[in-house]
Amino acid sequence: KNQVEQSPQSLIILEGKNCTLQCNYTVSPFSNLRWYKQDTGRGPVSLTIMTFSENTKSNGRYTATLDADTKQSSLHITASQLSDSASYICVVTTMDSNYQLIWGAGTKLIIKP
Amino acid sequence: DGGITQSPKYLFRKEGQNVTLSCEQNLNHDAMYWYRQDPGQGLRLIYYSQIVNDFQKGDIAEGYSVSREKKESFPLTVTSAQKNPTAFYLCASSIGGTTTGELFFGEGSRLTVL
Repeated sequence: KNQVEQSPQSLIILEGKNCTLQCNYTVSPFSNLRWYKQDTGRGPVSLTIMTFSENTKSNGRYTATLDADTKQSSLHITASQLSDSASYICVVTTMDSNYQLIWGAGTKLIIKP
Repeated sequence: DGGITQSPKYLFRKEGQNVTLSCEQNLNHDAMYWYRQDPGQGLRLIYYSQIVNDFQKGDIAEGYSVSREKKESFPLTVTSAQKNPTAFYLCASSIGGTTTGELFFGEGSRLTVL
């Protein structure tokens, strides 16, 4: 069964600290992996999209990594800011059909001053 | 500005009533989607449309209906047949299919059944 598991479910860190969010997937055949940021009560916004051949991708203070062999991805946030408080969602696309996106439940990140 | 507009942002419904959620995009995207989001769960696909006058059921289409009469518009009707309609509904669009295309989301509509 295609699944995406994210950990931790929630995380609280102090402003300025770094953090890493994890995503494990059992999706096959794999097409790409995406990370989205979703502010409370708003729509998700894309952070990165990585294909099979990409190991790492950055978007400002956000760096995503992908290990296709172990089927794991991580999202590292550097020098966190209060505006980073949000849910971060990992999504894996299969190649079974054009519209098969497997969504994780997200990690809720809270940045405290 | 280009983007996706969903309305209303908040909607209250009595049991037995149908309600329609609006989704309009000016990104000139071919594909549009409706997702449902419940606390602690991943997004679930309700319906999607790749071209005008054509749409396909997603994973949880029962109790919902859609139309795609114009490229820019993809309204979702939550019918009285939907047993648990209270949720956050998200509309999205992409240039092509989602295998490689980036999804752009609206701000969402929160439906509460009283």
